[in-house]
Amino acid sequence: QVQLQESGPGLVKPSETLSLTCTVSGGSITGYFWSWIRQPPGKGLEWIGFIFDSGSTNYSPSLKSRLTISLDTSKNQFSLKLTSVTAADTAVYYCARRLNWGSYWYLDLWGRGTLVTVSS
Amino acid sequence: QSALTQPASVSGSPGQSITISCTGTSSDVGGYNYVSWYQQHPGKAPKLMIYDVSNRPSGVSNRFSGSKSGNTASLTISGLQAEDEADYYCSSYTSTTILDVFGTGTKVTVL
Repeated sequence: QVQLQESGPGLVKPSETLSLTCTVSGGSITGYFWSWIRQPPGKGLEWIGFIFDSGSTNYSPSLKSRLTISLDTSKNQFSLKLTSVTAADTAVYYCARRLNWGSYWYLDLWGRGTLVTVSS
Repeated sequence: QSALTQPASVSGSPGQSITISCTGTSSDVGGYNYVSWYQQHPGKAPKLMIYDVSNRPSGVSNRFSGSKSGNTASLTISGLQAEDEADYYCSSYTSTTILDVFGTGTKVTVL
């Protein structure tokens, strides 16, 4: 059974870089889109971006200038780096698999999420 | 890209049916059949409940059904149960941005 697990610091200082890793266990990382979504406390879901196993990426326009998503197939991991963070980046960060169901690609498998707080 | 519009809350008694709406535009919900619904219990990750407007992944109860009319998609929960109490988010492909757009979210309360 494939599982996703986010890892990384729970507290990041303003202006620093937020770095998270998602480990894919129980299955291969190839052949899928791997995604990051976040949810500010008490608010809705927000797309961050995703990466295909070829390394091609799509980023949220509002985060693109600060965002890097990368893939390490040898470790079955993908990662998120968000630079120059502010309090507005405080959120639960989810990694998720985007899989082709029927006619389109949907988020069918999610990690449990990790809360990242931006504060000095 | 603005979020799709959902009612903030919907409630119903056990056994009843409720419907959650998700309103977009012709650039997203109205123009494509790539609408999905996610259920999120407090403190938990979202779960895919409906894809391609009306299809259920295996393992999802047939009490959950999806539909679409014009620019509005809907999720209906029939035979409401206490375990259905959760937040629900719609999502759709959109031609205006690279990434899909989520709805604003609806809190379902079982009275």
